[in-house]
Amino acid sequence: GAVVSQHPSRVICKSGTSVKIECRSLDFQATTMFWYRQFPKKSLMLMATSNEGSKATYEQGVEKDKFLINHASLTLSTLTVTSAHPEDSSFYICSARWYRGGETQYFGPGTRLLVL
Amino acid sequence: GQQLNQSPQSMFIQEGEDVSMNCTSSSIFNTWLWYKQDPGEGPVLLIALYKAGELTSNGRLTAQFGITRKDSFLNISASIPSDVGIYFCAGGGSQGNLIFGKGTKLSVKP
Repeated sequence: GAVVSQHPSRVICKSGTSVKIECRSLDFQATTMFWYRQFPKKSLMLMATSNEGSKATYEQGVEKDKFLINHASLTLSTLTVTSAHPEDSSFYICSARWYRGGETQYFGPGTRLLVL
Repeated sequence: GQQLNQSPQSMFIQEGEDVSMNCTSSSIFNTWLWYKQDPGEGPVLLIALYKAGELTSNGRLTAQFGITRKDSFLNISASIPSDVGIYFCAGGGSQGNLIFGKGTKLSVKP
């Protein structure tokens, strides 16, 4: 159990376009999902917390108008990178929260974004 | 804010060796999680610890939740080539988020 998928696995786009990344919990319901960004050889940096049916909570320094998050159902959260620029190129990873006696997060396989 | 110190940053292993890594913090955590990340992939949960003092095994992996709730270690016994990768510890606080260590990179000795 506890499988999380992400789509697409990699995407290349032109500067100025928007890109949507989907995160799905396949075999459990997740009222809370998290979006992370990871730079090469670095740890995960939390961008925002996505709660089903309510607005996402963004970490300090993360532009909410730049990174739009929607958590419309208990199994799906989306991250849209709007007007992407080359500096947005990164590895984006989502996770889904499953409380199993304590805080536990299961991660998706990640999405590699390259903005040209 | 809360921070985790994970050590060592990197280590080289020879097949068959035991491996040990740990995370410490000045803050108390309610949960300790250990993940492994392969290149280009998302982290995979290895072991979850929910109680102070808890010792849990998953195959050749053993992890413990420190009694003070400020530290945790992960041991890998009889390492094999597929153990290479980056291992992250993560502490779970009271607000539902995780604080990650900077990772321990395991490589094979040349």
